[in-house]
Amino acid sequence: EVQLVESGGGLVQPGGSLRLSCSASGFTFSSYPMHWVRQAPGKGLEYVSIISTDGGSTKYADSVKGRFTISRDNSKSAVYLQMSSLRAEDTAVYYCVKGTDDFWGQGALVTVSS
Amino acid sequence: DVVMTQSPLSLPVTLGQPASISCRSSQSLVHSDGNTYLNWFQQRPGQSPRRLIYKVSNRDSGVPDRFSGSGSGTDFTLKISRVEAEDVGVYYCMQATHWPHTFGQGTNLEIK
Repeated sequence: EVQLVESGGGLVQPGGSLRLSCSASGFTFSSYPMHWVRQAPGKGLEYVSIISTDGGSTKYADSVKGRFTISRDNSKSAVYLQMSSLRAEDTAVYYCVKGTDDFWGQGALVTVSS
Repeated sequence: DVVMTQSPLSLPVTLGQPASISCRSSQSLVHSDGNTYLNWFQQRPGQSPRRLIYKVSNRDSGVPDRFSGSGSGTDFTLKISRVEAEDVGVYYCMQATHWPHTFGQGTNLEIK
């Protein structure tokens, strides 16, 4: 059974940093790109970042470029999202998504507020 | 960025009746590899999104056959042949042909 479990969410002050982790199981992790998608409270879905199977290629939404960094560790079947210079508008549930979009984690809530 | 426009945004439906959601993209979703990467997702209240349809018309495993997808180019449709109570939620189309992948605004399906 495919499972994606996010962790690391929480409350952070504007300008602060946070690192999200996603632990994957039930599939050959190293064979799939991985994504992060976010959803602000009561709002729609926004793609944040994507990383290739070997981590050598990454892409970011313009809204987070230069502030967020995606990475992965295939030996641990994990993908990460390092978020810095956080803003109030980054407040959202962050979903870890398998590269074919067919499996989503339960989400991690990030709240940016003073 | 490719803009995905869904209609309607609110869809009240009587149980057992059909429902249809339109999704239009601001540019063609035909990839250079010949595929059209248009997906449909369902998000039930309090849950993560669940993919229903991939590449326009392919139903995911476990998705009831009352759900169907169609379309081409820039114009796509999700149809539910007979709405059931468990279908309540928000439906999103999403294109994965161009980066960044983009979603429609969402269509809120409710029971009348």
